[in-house]
Amino acid sequence: GAVVSQHPSRVICKSGTSVKIECRSLDFQATTMFWYRQFPKQSLMLMATSNEGSKATYEQGVEKDKFLINHASLTLSTLTVTSAHPEDSSFYICSAPGQGYETQYFGPGTRLLVL
Amino acid sequence: AQTVTQSQPEMSVQEAETVTLSCTYDTSENNYYLFWYKQPPSRQMILVIRQEAYKQQNATENRFSVNFQKAAKSFSLKISDSQLGDTAMYFCAFMPPYGGATNKLIFGTGTLLAVQP
Repeated sequence: GAVVSQHPSRVICKSGTSVKIECRSLDFQATTMFWYRQFPKQSLMLMATSNEGSKATYEQGVEKDKFLINHASLTLSTLTVTSAHPEDSSFYICSAPGQGYETQYFGPGTRLLVL
Repeated sequence: AQTVTQSQPEMSVQEAETVTLSCTYDTSENNYYLFWYKQPPSRQMILVIRQEAYKQQNATENRFSVNFQKAAKSFSLKISDSQLGDTAMYFCAFMPPYGGATNKLIFGTGTLLAVQP
């Protein structure tokens, strides 16, 4: 099956710094990728849709300047949390649709802790 | 707007027994996709089973099967012969038929299933 990777798997940073999270489709191309945020014991909350070659589409209530998304190639999307604060601590997950679009493949997630 | 409801926050089942997780959804669409995803303690999202709304036959994947009731907008997951490795959070999800690659998944709140030895 299709594989999506994320890097890093875990990151700890100081308040005020920026953190970049990478999402890669390893064995398929993805013109679209999705970024989710998940708090403990809660569901996945869609943050934005990353589009290769164009601007990302953000969900209502998500700060565009806070969560910068760049879809650099057909296999790579990055999420940068700028000027991170403790409230940004969370589990971030990316996904990419497979060839048929209706099935999404998820990355293993990135745990962000802002001190 | 489409919504997905999982009314069971937590469930428990004995090993080797059968358990059913409930899911209802609301949509005005006629064609769409429904999914059950599993999220074990590792937090990796794993696709369990998929159902196309235009197919009347219920999907099955080994020990996992669904009861898809389109008129009732119900999509329950049955796990037979439960195993300890089935312990996980289970999410029901809906996807509309349009949008191609930009199709968004709409998730329910999840059901935490514990399989007891």
